[in-house]
Amino acid sequence: GNSVTQMEGPVTLSEEAFLTINCTYTATGYPSLFWYVQYPGEGLQLLLKATKADDKGSNKGFEATYRKETTSFHLEKGSVQVSDSAVYFCALAGGATNKLIFGTGTLLAVQP
Amino acid sequence: EAQVTQNPRYLITVTGKKLTVTCSQNMNHEYMSWYRQDPGLGLRQIYYSMNVEVTDKGDVPEGYKVSRKEKRNFPLILESPSPNQTSLYFCASSMTGMNTEAFFGQGTRLTVV
Repeated sequence: GNSVTQMEGPVTLSEEAFLTINCTYTATGYPSLFWYVQYPGEGLQLLLKATKADDKGSNKGFEATYRKETTSFHLEKGSVQVSDSAVYFCALAGGATNKLIFGTGTLLAVQP
Repeated sequence: EAQVTQNPRYLITVTGKKLTVTCSQNMNHEYMSWYRQDPGLGLRQIYYSMNVEVTDKGDVPEGYKVSRKEKRNFPLILESPSPNQTSLYFCASSMTGMNTEAFFGQGTRLTVV
């Protein structure tokens, strides 16, 4: 069945460092791919998405490219801030099940 | 303001005592669902509803019930809670299915003792 695998955390970075959080997926067909972010004490919010191969989603300085050949959707940001500290979830949706399938989440801690 | 509202935010209860977690959305979304979040497991879908009076099981439906009598409301019912249902629960809604942007409530932290 469909599944998402993302890198284990926590990831601890200094402010202005480069961020990569790896995400790979297994799916039949052509799913849509998402990154959701969960700030402390809050629900999840959509950060960015891509709906087809080679699409690049971007928002708030974060980017991810839908790579069908490597079944990946890695999240990147060139310069992180303390306010980016949160849990990041990679997810996919598609097919008959019509639901989001999440990875286990990656905690990012950015230190000043 | 567009939002999904869950209540209560925190709940401690005893094994076997029926409880309901409410969920309401003000965006006229057709699709609503419930997830539970557990450490190391991410979020797993409990139940979903594609429209009024239409509900279906997700990946972990055992021990839960839902209803969708009105478009805006999608309560989660635990008829006889057990300690393994201690978790963080999220309600979500989207226009049509989860391949469109999903909006999540703030979560309900449930502890069953």
